[in-house]
Amino acid sequence: RKEVEQDPGPFNVPEGATVAFNCTYSNSASQSFFWYRQDCRKEPKLLMSVYSSGNEDGRFTAQLNRASQYISLLIRDSKLSDSATYLCVVMEYGNKLVFGAGTILRVKS
Amino acid sequence: DAGVTQSPTHLIKTRGQQVTLRCSPKSGHDTVSWYQQALGQGPQFIFQYYEEEERQRGNFPDRFSGHQFPNYSSELNVNALLLGDSALYLCASSSQTEAFFGQGTRLTVV
Repeated sequence: RKEVEQDPGPFNVPEGATVAFNCTYSNSASQSFFWYRQDCRKEPKLLMSVYSSGNEDGRFTAQLNRASQYISLLIRDSKLSDSATYLCVVMEYGNKLVFGAGTILRVKS
Repeated sequence: DAGVTQSPTHLIKTRGQQVTLRCSPKSGHDTVSWYQQALGQGPQFIFQYYEEEERQRGNFPDRFSGHQFPNYSSELNVNALLLGDSALYLCASSSQTEAFFGQGTRLTVV
């Protein structure tokens, strides 16, 4: 079983749609959780941290369920510029990051 | 404030050669980690340096080695290059709560 699992997609959605990504992780001792965005042939960039209480940043909402070891990302009112690969990331002891393989999002006009 | 910087950005090497990649962390970060990202995959953890020592290591062979300098900058060395080492190599510097990546070095082994 992979340490961090994501649906690879691609998710093809029209502009304005709401789309949700899910992720599960295997290490219950994981300390911090993140969503990163990666554009083609670029480095991953931090999109947002994920907390059990849930957090929102504009059109993006992230949620963590520690009991189920499940992380989610909701994108509302999708824009063409949201097209990218979204990486679910878990931080383990000593700031080691463990990445999922990524979920591809394609927003079409 | 400069973020994480890596050099070179692109590199082409021949099988069997050796390569050195460089990374300067974000100001205020003392921990540097290296990741390998093959096409279509998520980044894979190679190793991490803190206080000039390797603190953690992923599942990579001894051909992959590194170093951290007193100014926290770091090098990744790969010996006896294989075709399968072709990938984007990412350096991340981190604090307790977040990590930032450099733009990466794209290594092609021919």
